[in-house]
Amino acid sequence: SQQGEEDPQALSIQEGENATMNCSYKTSINNLQWYRQNSGRGLVHLILIRSNEREKHSGRLRVTLDTSKKSSSLLITASRAADTASYFCATETSGSRLTFGEGTQLTVNP
Amino acid sequence: GAVVSQHPSWVICKSGTSVKIECRSLDFQATTMFWYRQFPKQSLMLMATSNEGSKATYEQGVEKDKFLINHASLTLSTLTVTSAHPEDSSFYICSARDLFTVSQETQYFGPGTRLLVL
Repeated sequence: SQQGEEDPQALSIQEGENATMNCSYKTSINNLQWYRQNSGRGLVHLILIRSNEREKHSGRLRVTLDTSKKSSSLLITASRAADTASYFCATETSGSRLTFGEGTQLTVNP
Repeated sequence: GAVVSQHPSWVICKSGTSVKIECRSLDFQATTMFWYRQFPKQSLMLMATSNEGSKATYEQGVEKDKFLINHASLTLSTLTVTSAHPEDSSFYICSARDLFTVSQETQYFGPGTRLLVL
């Protein structure tokens, strides 16, 4: 199956709650990146975590990486309606190629 | 900084015609640009890697004669869909890497081009 599988496929929460999305991959990676995509739009880079890092923070975002389990998680704290979007993980391997996961559709209800 | 533009943002064409999509890095130089395709409610699939001044590298299953890529300068790459068919209708997204910044791993994505082939 494809590198960068995500779960859940869809997540619906109330404003103010935390949202957690998970990503698993199969091969060795240079880094793992998380992107956001609003419907029908381009991608926005959120955060990059290198293979030798375990955790990274950026504002309300927290990313973890467990290379032994080949998995990563993205936590969005204190969610807002404006966070509604699709979130993709992408793993970078040799040659700077990015392989994207299937994505998680997050809906934050006001 | 690090803005990537695409033109056109959407295009409708008749089956059998060719369509050219431009990808530009507006405020940085990019030796490498990437082209992706995204079908509705699906993920992005890498089509090819475009290197300035050399031939593009295509992913398995992507026809290089159908999807012509040209990367003539450090700020411009073009994707031409030749003899387009309805099954080529998709959202095409490019990305570029900034050669000179510290965070060279980051790819900056364009806003995408929606292609509809009738």
